[in-house]
Amino acid sequence: SQTIHQWPATLVQPVGSPLSLECTVEGTSNPNLYWYRQAAGRGLQLLFYSVGIGQISSEVPQNLSASRPQDRQFILSSKKLLLSDSGFYLCAWRGQLNTEAFFGQGTRLTVV
Amino acid sequence: GIQVEQSPPDLILQEGANSTLRCNFSDSVNNLQWFHQNPWGQLINLFYIPSGTKQNGRLSATTVATERYSLLYISSSQTTDSGVYFCAVGSNTNAGKSTFGDGTTLTVKP
Repeated sequence: SQTIHQWPATLVQPVGSPLSLECTVEGTSNPNLYWYRQAAGRGLQLLFYSVGIGQISSEVPQNLSASRPQDRQFILSSKKLLLSDSGFYLCAWRGQLNTEAFFGQGTRLTVV
Repeated sequence: GIQVEQSPPDLILQEGANSTLRCNFSDSVNNLQWFHQNPWGQLINLFYIPSGTKQNGRLSATTVATERYSLLYISSSQTTDSGVYFCAVGSNTNAGKSTFGDGTTLTVKP
């Protein structure tokens, strides 16, 4: 069966520090991968998506970047965090037939 | 882009009551899911339902794609049903991207 792993679960980082959040999927090949962010009390906003290795599309301009170095690995990064980068980040995957999406457990990032 | 509106934004029920949550969307979709976000933030898949009706225990969902809405029914609610319910819609021709509504926050009181 397919599973998705996302870590760390929580993270407190100072302003100006770098960021790296990792997401991996098991049990499937060539998934579509997504990074979402959820602000407090709101729905999820799509940040990046990827349909294959090295293929990244950005949905909103921001201080973050994403990379997909392997088929089932998706990384969210920043060179210098801002206070406004605080939030709950979720990784998701969907098969190439684009049916049901599955989410990781999320990373709660607090920038101080 | 597509707009997703969920109603009501907040709902408070007594245990045992029934409820209906609604999701309206502004354009044709062929991908629609309902999620329950638990207190730890995890999104639990409830239904993948781009059209038709499905049931799973006390929960059921109906999507009328031609009229651009979906309904989630919760019967005999329990305190463990509390949390935020999200509707997410999208087009399978657009890399499977989903647009989320702002959710309905359900509180079930004992």
